Amino acid sequence: EPEVTQTPSHQVTQMGQEVILRCVPISNHLYFYWYRQILGQKVEFLVSFYNNEISEKSEIFDDQFSVERPDGSNFTLKIRSTKLEDSAMYFCAGRPSLGYNEQFFGPGTRLTVL
Amino acid sequence: ELKVEQNPLFLSMQEGKNYTIYCNYSTTSDRLYWYRQDPGKSLESLFVLLSNGAVKQEGRLMASLDTKARLSTLHITAAVHDLSATYFCAVDTRTGNQFYFGTGTSLTVIP
Repeated sequence: EPEVTQTPSHQVTQMGQEVILRCVPISNHLYFYWYRQILGQKVEFLVSFYNNEISEKSEIFDDQFSVERPDGSNFTLKIRSTKLEDSAMYFCAGRPSLGYNEQFFGPGTRLTVL
Repeated sequence: ELKVEQNPLFLSMQEGKNYTIYCNYSTTSDRLYWYRQDPGKSLESLFVLLSNGAVKQEGRLMASLDTKARLSTLHITAAVHDLSATYFCAVDTRTGNQFYFGTGTSLTVIP
C-alpha cells in the first residue's frame, strides 16, 4: 500500500540556521499539506498546496516558511532562520482530490532547534 | 477561527469498561475525522464521517456525527490495553483545504 514518506526522521539544528524538510507524497495525490505538532500539543495546520501554488496558509506560516514541489515528486518545507519555538514534529499530508476527503499523513520529522 | 474541543483531555480507564470521548466544533461542517496517534508516531486514520447521523464502527470503537449539535463522539466498548493512545478529531473547512484538529484525548487503558 502506498505511503507518504518524510526525511529526515529527526533533524537537529542551531537557532538561525535554515532547514529543509522533505516529503514524498503518494503518487496520485494532488493536494499537499504541512502540519506541525509541538510536543504534547495538538496538530496545527501550516499550509496547503495545489497546482504548484499555496492554497491556504495559517498565521503560523510567516515569511520564514516556504514550500515548493520542485520536481513533481518531493514536497518541501523550508524554514529560513529557525527559532527555538520551531522545535516540533512536522507532518506532511496529502489527498487525491478535494472530493476525496481523507488526508493521509506521513511519519513526521522531529525538528529540534538548539 | 474554527475551534475544535475534545473532552476529556486525559482518560484513564480499566480494561473491559466503556467510555465516550466528545468532540465539539464551532462552525458548520459536515465532515469530521478521527485519528489515532501512538507516542512518537504519525496519525492513523480511524473514521471519516461525512454526513449528519453518520455512524461507523471498527472493532471496539464506534464514531458518530451530529452536525446540528456540532458534536461527534468516539465510543469505546470493553476497552483493551492496545487502545491506549491519543485520539484526535479533526474538522475541515468548507474549502476542504485544511484540517482543524481537536486538543486530543490521551487514553490509558489499565489492565
